[in-house]
Amino acid sequence: GENVEQHPSTLSVQEGDSAVIKCTYSDSASNYFPWYKQELGKGPQLIIDIRSNVGEKKDQRIAVTLNKTAKHFSLHITETQPEDSAVYFCAASKEGGNNRLAFGKGNQVVVIP
Amino acid sequence: SQTIHQWPATLVQPVGSPLSLECTVEGTSNPNLYWYRQAAGRGLQLLFYSVGIGQISSEVPQNLSASRPQDRQFILSSKKLLLSDSGFYLCAWNRGVTGELFFGEGSRLTVL
Repeated sequence: GENVEQHPSTLSVQEGDSAVIKCTYSDSASNYFPWYKQELGKGPQLIIDIRSNVGEKKDQRIAVTLNKTAKHFSLHITETQPEDSAVYFCAASKEGGNNRLAFGKGNQVVVIP
Repeated sequence: SQTIHQWPATLVQPVGSPLSLECTVEGTSNPNLYWYRQAAGRGLQLLFYSVGIGQISSEVPQNLSASRPQDRQFILSSKKLLLSDSGFYLCAWNRGVTGELFFGEGSRLTVL
């Protein structure tokens, strides 16, 4: 099955700087790559996703890039703010069917004011 | 709009006691339903998923079980809890087409 790895496990950044989290996946047939944000004590929420027919997607201060050849995708957060502090999960799946997502182990992002 | 509720939010149980966590989804029909566990390492481990009433698939062997007695109700159970069952349990749903998972607020279980 799909195996998703996420690096680094913890990332501290100064407020206003950029943060980048990278994920690699193993199944070349995967074509759907979402990112979830989990605030303390809450369930994860989808913040952005990308499908394999595009290489980059942007939504305000967050963006995701996909390199299908290398089988990795990254989350970019620009102009970080304290409310960006959370655990971020990447995931991968093949769309259709039961659509079970394979999640990475999560990345703790700490934005230092 | 669709909402997902799970309860209880917090639970402290002794080893060997039973467990029942409930999850309901409102505002949609025939959702895919999932139970995840998040242990101290923060990763999301899929425990069970269901594509319809009475249809349960287990991802990992364990002393937990799941049931789906109604279309929008998903229950996680155990007859005898172990210390290793402690964790943050998340219920989630999706429609399977877009892929987006909608998570509940979670249930924190501490087994003593």
